Amino acid sequence: GQQVMQIPQYQHVQEGEDFTTYCNSSTTLSNIQWYKQRPGGHPVFLIQLVKSGEVKKQKRLTFQFGEAKKNSSLHITATQTTDVGTYFCASERGNKLVFGAGTILRVKS
Amino acid sequence: NAGVTQTPKFRVLKTGQSMTLLCAQDMNHEYMYWYRQDPGMGLRLIHYSVGEGTTAKGEVPDGYNVSRLKKQNFLLGLESAAPSQTSVYFCASSYLQRSTEAFFGQGTRLTVV
Repeated sequence: GQQVMQIPQYQHVQEGEDFTTYCNSSTTLSNIQWYKQRPGGHPVFLIQLVKSGEVKKQKRLTFQFGEAKKNSSLHITATQTTDVGTYFCASERGNKLVFGAGTILRVKS
Repeated sequence: NAGVTQTPKFRVLKTGQSMTLLCAQDMNHEYMYWYRQDPGMGLRLIHYSVGEGTTAKGEVPDGYNVSRLKKQNFLLGLESAAPSQTSVYFCASSYLQRSTEAFFGQGTRLTVV
């Protein structure tokens, strides 16, 4: 099964509210990647975090990598209807790229 | 530059039938992956390849076989389809496995009846 646990599984927010999804691992991660999949689409790479405690921003999206490199989060400020989709974290396990189960975001306008 | 192309996009199979899903990439990527996506299960790795002529098992390899005879192509085979293999299948590729993004194909929606 998944070696990275992602929570929550599903979140429904009012447009303008914030949203956060979390990715947790029992072991240290070499890096963490985040992907977005629009309904009916395919996963698209958003960002990669490598360093302990790293924080990166893309407009309204803020990505964090924990100090121990065992967890990561994606925070969206003031959600918009265009943010709808499933957000996945992914990590490298040897030669494998393993994904979390994803968080489905629905935005009510 | 088409990126990652999967064929077919849709398919309905009867139980016991066989089929091959084709993934082609034109980015000269070394790594290629096959995933299946089921509701609530996220993306589960079926098989992967780190280069031409090499393949390895992922998390859920049973019932599937793969081949990577050419660097640009990665084939996923179902020898005897079962209803449990009804899913959306995604192929992905990347330059080198570490520290680079994976590019995904558009997906193949397979239904086994």
